[in-house]
Amino acid sequence: EVQLVESGGGLVQPGRSLRLSCTASGFTFGDYAMSWFRQAPGKGLEWVGFIRSKAYGGTTEYAASVKGRFTISRDDSKSIAYLQMNSLKTEDTAVYYCTRKGYSSGWYGAYWGQGTLVTVSS
Amino acid sequence: DIQMTQSPSTLSASVGDRVTITCRASQSISSWLAWYQQKPGKAPKLLIYKASSLESGVPSRFSGSGSGTEFTLTISSLQPDDFATYYCQQYNSYPLAFGQGTKVEIK
Repeated sequence: EVQLVESGGGLVQPGRSLRLSCTASGFTFGDYAMSWFRQAPGKGLEWVGFIRSKAYGGTTEYAASVKGRFTISRDDSKSIAYLQMNSLKTEDTAVYYCTRKGYSSGWYGAYWGQGTLVTVSS
Repeated sequence: DIQMTQSPSTLSASVGDRVTITCRASQSISSWLAWYQQKPGKAPKLLIYKASSLESGVPSRFSGSGSGTEFTLTISSLQPDDFATYYCQQYNSYPLAFGQGTKVEIK
């Protein structure tokens, strides 16, 4: 069974950094691209970014709202994806979800973690 | 960037009703569209991918159709477990984008 578990959320001051982790199980982690999404309180879903598998260069893509501040990385030996968030703003307050794509072409979120809440406030 | 627009924003319906939600893309996305269901405090759940392919384990009362710029999600006979918020998402190009959501409420 595919499982994704996010951790690392919490309360952080504006301008500070936080790193989220996504621990995966139930599949060969290194074979899959992984993506992060977020949802601000009472709002809709927003894509944050994604990292390809090593077979596709391990390259990344980001939403304009986080590009240059957030970095996604992966450790295939530990089956963990990371979201490093720097220069945090109050508008980054959200539940952050880690996702894995499905088996068909293209990126859609077939598997989601339970989410971890990040609150950016002074 | 591609913009996704869902309608209606809120829908009031009764158990047994046929429900249709529309999603429009600002430019053609072929069939690269997914639909999700989300309940309060929970992660989204994939219902449909590639516009009309039903995800494994999803009840057959859910169906998707459309291509290009106009898509629909249909629930053939609304069940109590279906009261939730529904989102469409395009994956034709980056940045990936969602509609603003449609909340299905009890009438």
